[in-house]
Amino acid sequence: SAVISQKPSRDICQRGTSLTIQCQVDSQVTMMFWYRQQPGQSLTLIATANQGSEATYESGFVIDKFPISRPNLTFSTLTVSNMSPEDSSIYLCSVEDREGPLGYGYTFGSGTRLTVV
Amino acid sequence: GENVEQHPSTLSVQEGDSAVIKCTYSDSASNYFPWYKQELGKGPQLIIDIRSNVGEKKDQRIAVTLNKTAKHFSLHITETQPEDSAVYFCAASLTINDMRFGAGTRLTVKP
Repeated sequence: SAVISQKPSRDICQRGTSLTIQCQVDSQVTMMFWYRQQPGQSLTLIATANQGSEATYESGFVIDKFPISRPNLTFSTLTVSNMSPEDSSIYLCSVEDREGPLGYGYTFGSGTRLTVV
Repeated sequence: GENVEQHPSTLSVQEGDSAVIKCTYSDSASNYFPWYKQELGKGPQLIIDIRSNVGEKKDQRIAVTLNKTAKHFSLHITETQPEDSAVYFCAASLTINDMRFGAGTRLTVKP
């Protein structure tokens, strides 16, 4: 199944600054997904990133706050801009994994634990 | 859009007992129902899934059942072990980019 490397694994940032999270996959994938997981909560889809086109954002998330790059089929970045304490969450990237043992589903990275102070 | 509800939010069982987690979904068109296990400090890991043309699926100690008429599906873990302790998420989707997750169940298996 796909192997995802996500960096950084954690960071503590000052409010008003920005953090860029990187997601590298060991195989080419059409779609990459970015999720937010607030403390003790479920996973909320931020956006879907396709190579060669602008990301598609879910309701409540905007490009100015969460700009996404997808320069090729194995890499994507998510930037959390102008951070406030409310942005403290785990951010996860994910890909569709048709080569996994179950033949479908998402594979997730290990996440980036962001704390904004 | 799809709405997934998951119960219970926490579950504590003795080692060796069974654990059952239940989910309901709102969109009758959803046709794919995966379950994820998330251990502390890690991303969710797919542990079992079921499609709408199947009523039950088993993999060793875990099984999932689906009732399309009632729009609910369940995860069953038998002979629980301490390493089963984690947060479990159900999800439902029709297409690959519309997956919606339940709120999660924190399972604790006491030795």
